[in-house]
Amino acid sequence: KQEVTQIPAALSVPEGENLVLNCSFTDSAIYNLQWFRQDPGKGLTSLLLIQSSQREQTSGRLNASLDKSSGRSTLYIAASQPGDSATYLCAAPPIRNTGFQKLVFGTGTRLLVSP
Amino acid sequence: SQTIHQWPATLVQPVGSPLSLECTVEGTSNPNLYWYRQAAGRGLQLLFYSVGIGQISSEVPQNLSASRPQDRQFILSSKKLLLSDSGFYLCAWSIRGDQPQHFGDGTRLSIL
Repeated sequence: KQEVTQIPAALSVPEGENLVLNCSFTDSAIYNLQWFRQDPGKGLTSLLLIQSSQREQTSGRLNASLDKSSGRSTLYIAASQPGDSATYLCAAPPIRNTGFQKLVFGTGTRLLVSP
Repeated sequence: SQTIHQWPATLVQPVGSPLSLECTVEGTSNPNLYWYRQAAGRGLQLLFYSVGIGQISSEVPQNLSASRPQDRQFILSSKKLLLSDSGFYLCAWSIRGDQPQHFGDGTRLSIL
């Protein structure tokens, strides 16, 4: 059974800092690794998706890496801004015979970037 | 472009009352549809998914049911709500089972 853990649970940084969020998963046979952002009281917004054959993906100030062998992914945020404040969730869907991608989420890292 | 709508945005219901949450997707056909619940202090949990009209799979035993009466409509229901049904309910869609899922804005359900 896939289990996804995210640390830290909460992080507070001053504006401008570079930061790293961590995600670990127990089943390395995954479709992909996905990072989402959730603003308070809102749904999820997809940030980055790393295919199982890839090592990293970049979008703007965000860079996500994947190391399947160690069951880890990191989300790197460069030059953080107050608008980055949100909860960041990772999801690691394990491969199943049905071909259906069941997203298994971590409990998230709540990020606060202060001006 | 594709859009997903959920309503209502918030709902307060007494214990024992029925529930109906609706989710619709526009701009695509025959999507995979999903219902998730996010309880306080817990991660998002998949409740139901559907790969076609009338086809519903349940991931966890519970007090809720789901139905898909039309291709792009997904409904979450309960005949009698429990206190433990409180939470944030999210609907999502994907074009295929192995493609990224796109989420609605959610429904905040409070049971009194």
